[in-house]
Amino acid sequence: QKEVEQNSGPLSVPEGAIASLNCTYSDRGSQSFFWYRQYSGKSPELIMFIYSNGDKEDGRFTAQLNKASQYVSLLIRDSQPSDSATYLCAVVSSNTGKLIFGQGTTLQVKP
Amino acid sequence: ETGVTQTPRHLVMGMTNKKSLKCEQHLGHNAMYWYKQSAKKPLELMFVYNFKEQTENNSVPSRFSPECPNSSHLFLHLHTLQPEDSALYLCASSQRPAGTTYTGELFFGEGSRLTVL
Repeated sequence: QKEVEQNSGPLSVPEGAIASLNCTYSDRGSQSFFWYRQYSGKSPELIMFIYSNGDKEDGRFTAQLNKASQYVSLLIRDSQPSDSATYLCAVVSSNTGKLIFGQGTTLQVKP
Repeated sequence: ETGVTQTPRHLVMGMTNKKSLKCEQHLGHNAMYWYKQSAKKPLELMFVYNFKEQTENNSVPSRFSPECPNSSHLFLHLHTLQPEDSALYLCASSQRPAGTTYTGELFFGEGSRLTVL
């Protein structure tokens, strides 16, 4: 089982729709969760972090965390073509303290 | 300059060459990292420096040799690489020292695309 698992996609949504990106993790003791966005040919950029169960909203982005089910998700409302990128989920390991990345989900927002 | 800058952006080298990648952060951060990004694979942590002291060597082959002369500069020296080492090498920095508790709030440079022939 991968430590951090994401569907590689691509996930294709029409402009204006809600994009839902999901991530599961294996370390039940993890406490810190991050979403990075990586445009093609560019470096990852932190867009959201969440530490507590529930929802955290920032503009069009909402991060959702469910520690009991060991999943974290990222919702993008009113998706724009400029949101087309690969979204990386990352989790801090409770054993090693290292930041473990998932493979990433490629999102395509079609005009 | 601001942020994290990496040079060169692209590098092609033969298996017998010796080259170095350079990273500089202008954010006043305390920790610096080298990550490897290969196609279809998750980001792999290679090395961590905290206040210019190496705190992590993630089982990286000795043909990769890091150097951190101060908290703002980080190098990755490369020698006798293999074609499978071709990848994007990303430097990152963080404000919170990467000590007993690592931080996930990283600032990445644009990366150095390495091709080993």
